[in-house]
Formats: sequence, structure tokens, C-alpha cells
Amino acid sequence: GAVVSQHPSWVICKSGTSVKIECRSLDFQATTMFWYRQFPKQSLMLMATSNEGSKATYEQGVEKDKFLINHASLTLSTLTVTSAHPEDSSFYICSASSSSGRVGNEQFFGPGTRLTVL
Amino acid sequence: GEDVEQSLFLSVREGDSSVINCTYTDSSSTYLYWYKQEPGAGLQLLTYIFSNMDMKQDQRLTVLLNKKDKHLSLRIADTQTGDSAIYFCAESKGTALIFGKGTTLSVSS
Repeated sequence: GAVVSQHPSWVICKSGTSVKIECRSLDFQATTMFWYRQFPKQSLMLMATSNEGSKATYEQGVEKDKFLINHASLTLSTLTVTSAHPEDSSFYICSASSSSGRVGNEQFFGPGTRLTVL
Repeated sequence: GEDVEQSLFLSVREGDSSVINCTYTDSSSTYLYWYKQEPGAGLQLLTYIFSNMDMKQDQRLTVLLNKKDKHLSLRIADTQTGDSAIYFCAESKGTALIFGKGTTLSVSS
């Protein structure tokens, strides 16, 4: 099956620093990748949709200058949380879309990255 | 209000059936999904149903769709302790997915 990895799985950083999270599709090419944020006991909130080679489309209320997304290749997207603050602490999950899934444009999810900002 | 709503918690005994319910708002959703999330892991697609179907059965899983009421349910037959997880209902919105808050299923032996 399609595998999506995320790195790192857990990161702790100081307030004011930037953190980069990588999302890779390991055995398929993903034209579209999605970034979600999940708070405890909350649903996954879509942050942005990124297509390879073009600018990401951000959801309403998500600051594009704070959450920088780069989708440089068909297998890699990165999310950089700039000048992180404690309120940015959350579980960040990426997914990659493949037209070869069981259902049209099925999304395959990474295992998530736990970000803690001190 | 929320696009997708589901109850937050369900507790069942091993061997019983579990029914997780979900309501959604976008009648134009082409597909509706059930995802499973185990502790510390990403989401795994369990099953899905096309919007023109009423029911889909896949081994122990049965999905029922009432399009008129925008109600989706997932029934797990013969629930096992390994089924303990968070189950998310999701509707498609263009290329994106809109998730509910998830139902935590606890299975006791």
C-alpha cells in the first residue's frame, strides 16, 4: 500500500525558533499533499493544500507567513512553523493524494508530528 | 456549526457490535469515509461509500448512508479489543476532506 512518512515524529523547540516538518510519499508520486493540525479530542483541521510546483492554498484563518509550505517534488512537502510560540504546540499530520488509491484521489496519511513549543 | 458531527465516546464489550454515527452537511460530497486512528499513529482509511449508495459491507464493517438525513453510520460486528481506536467520519469537499472530531471506541474484554 501507499506509505507516507513524516519527520520528525516529535520535536520540542524554544519559543521564537523555526521548525521544519517533512512529509514524504515513499512508494508513489503525490501531486497533492495536505497539511492538517489536530488538537486533543478535536478533529483534524485542514491547514493548507499544496500541489507540486505551485503555491499552497491556505484555509481561512491560517497564516501563510507563519506556516510556510513547500512542495518541491512529487514525493516531498515541507511545513515550516516560523517563530513558533506555545500556542503552535499541536499534532501536525500530512497526507498525500494518489489517483491510484481504492477511491478516487484517496489520501494516505503520515503518522503525524508532535510539536511542543516551550 | 460543525460540518461533520459525531459522538465523542463509545464503550462496548468484546464480541458485541459497535455502531458509530455521524452527520454531515454537504449534500454534494461524492464520497464519505471512515478513518481509524490508533494511538500515536496516522489515519488509516477503513472504508468509504459512494454517495449514491445506501449500504456497503466489507467483512465485519457495514456502512449505512441516509442521504436524505445526511446521516452516516459504521457498524463493526464482533468487536475485538484491537478495534479500540478513534474513528473519524469524513466528507469530501473538492480534493479536501472535512473530518468530524472522532469517536473514541473502547472495547472491554
